Amino acid sequence: DQQVKQNSPSLSVQEGRISILNCDYTNSMFDYFLWYKKYPAEGPTFLISISSIKDKNEDGRFTVFLNKSAKHLSLHIVPSQPGDSAVYFCAAEGGSGGSNYKLTFGKGTLLTVNP
Amino acid sequence: GAVVSQHPSWVICKSGTSVKIECRSLDFQATTMFWYRQFPKQSLMLMATSNEGSKATYEQGVEKDKFLINHASLTLSTLTVTSAHPEDSSFYICSASGQGVGYTFGSGTRLTVV
Repeated sequence: DQQVKQNSPSLSVQEGRISILNCDYTNSMFDYFLWYKKYPAEGPTFLISISSIKDKNEDGRFTVFLNKSAKHLSLHIVPSQPGDSAVYFCAAEGGSGGSNYKLTFGKGTLLTVNP
Repeated sequence: GAVVSQHPSWVICKSGTSVKIECRSLDFQATTMFWYRQFPKQSLMLMATSNEGSKATYEQGVEKDKFLINHASLTLSTLTVTSAHPEDSSFYICSASGQGVGYTFGSGTRLTVV
């Protein structure tokens, strides 16, 4: 049962444009969400996070939006740069049964930013 | 910032042998460490969670006798893949968290069993 879903396996955008990466979740107990960037054969690098008490968090070119009622979050990157090309993972923390402090990951979206 | 060092970055071993992967937190005390496995184009699947000085908690479907996890100190956790077989070939990643430090990932280990 995939509790965190990234339905787009890939996304291609032009340099300078906005990249929008989407993530849906099914577990209403999740209360903290994170986005990671990952290059092949490397570990994930933390990008930005958001608590369920907020609906938006911004850090430079990266903004994460959370819609709790829709159980949906998105990562906006603007302007997109070729160096942003990587796999982006959405992750959620929380749950029940003592599993609050672990992350559940989506399958990732490969972002390609074309010069 | 917080740094987690994972070693080796890649390893090739013969079927039936055991392989140990180390995960160290370099500049913080990691009260909790996590071990993940990633198949190509798949998500990071949590294998187990370990708290320093305690036995690891394994996720459903993960064989604890095959994937031995030790978290004997606040800066070191090890994952030993015992009696490795080709189907154990994968990318293994550790993550650590501690007081005031969120999930910080190691660089991963590519294991190939031949």
